[in-house]
Amino acid sequence: DAGVTQSPTHLIKTRGQQVTLRCSPKSGHDTVSWYQQALGQGPQFIFQYYEEEERQRGNFPDRFSGHQFPNYSSELNVNALLLGDSALYLCASSLNRQNNQPQHFGDGTRLSIL
Amino acid sequence: GQNIDQPTEMTATEGAIVQINCTYQTSGFNGLFWYQQHAGEAPTFLSYNVLDGLEEKGRFSSFLSRSKGYSYLLLKELQMKDSASYLCAVKLDDKIIFGKGTRLHILP
Repeated sequence: DAGVTQSPTHLIKTRGQQVTLRCSPKSGHDTVSWYQQALGQGPQFIFQYYEEEERQRGNFPDRFSGHQFPNYSSELNVNALLLGDSALYLCASSLNRQNNQPQHFGDGTRLSIL
Repeated sequence: GQNIDQPTEMTATEGAIVQINCTYQTSGFNGLFWYQQHAGEAPTFLSYNVLDGLEEKGRFSSFLSRSKGYSYLLLKELQMKDSASYLCAVKLDDKIIFGKGTRLHILP
């Protein structure tokens, strides 16, 4: 039973570039949430996808966008990268109907902006 | 706005007991999670409280008081492997808000 998988594990980009991060949810899960975690901080909610639509969004600019595919996998896109976008990006999956079940996290993608 | 407070760092001794507190002021509440996160790794689920009271799971227990907006995570018989960050998170509808985490150092 595969857990949440994310790719790539590490990525280096320069300011102004664009990046796409990918996530496959845990088998049986249909909801994907994305978080940004800066060093020494807790994860900050970016947005959540369910039924291929963005359902909830945190306090992040429009440079952050996403997509969910029919197989429930998801992508996070960040445009016009800034130095402050350097962080660990975590994907978490859950089953939408089960509100008392925890989200399962992937190992994250560490993004460094030079 | 949403606010979740927990201590930044704590230190305890191997074999001892430690309590990590979390207070929250949020617009809505559908439960509170505790996660453990080792450096460089993904958060892993520890506990979930939605009703007031104590939930015990092995060496770890979690308590919730909704009227006080307060929770704690209790770790007993501390082991060196318990050195990690502990994240308190509140569930709001379909969104989860995390605190900044408490970094726990275990001394031999």
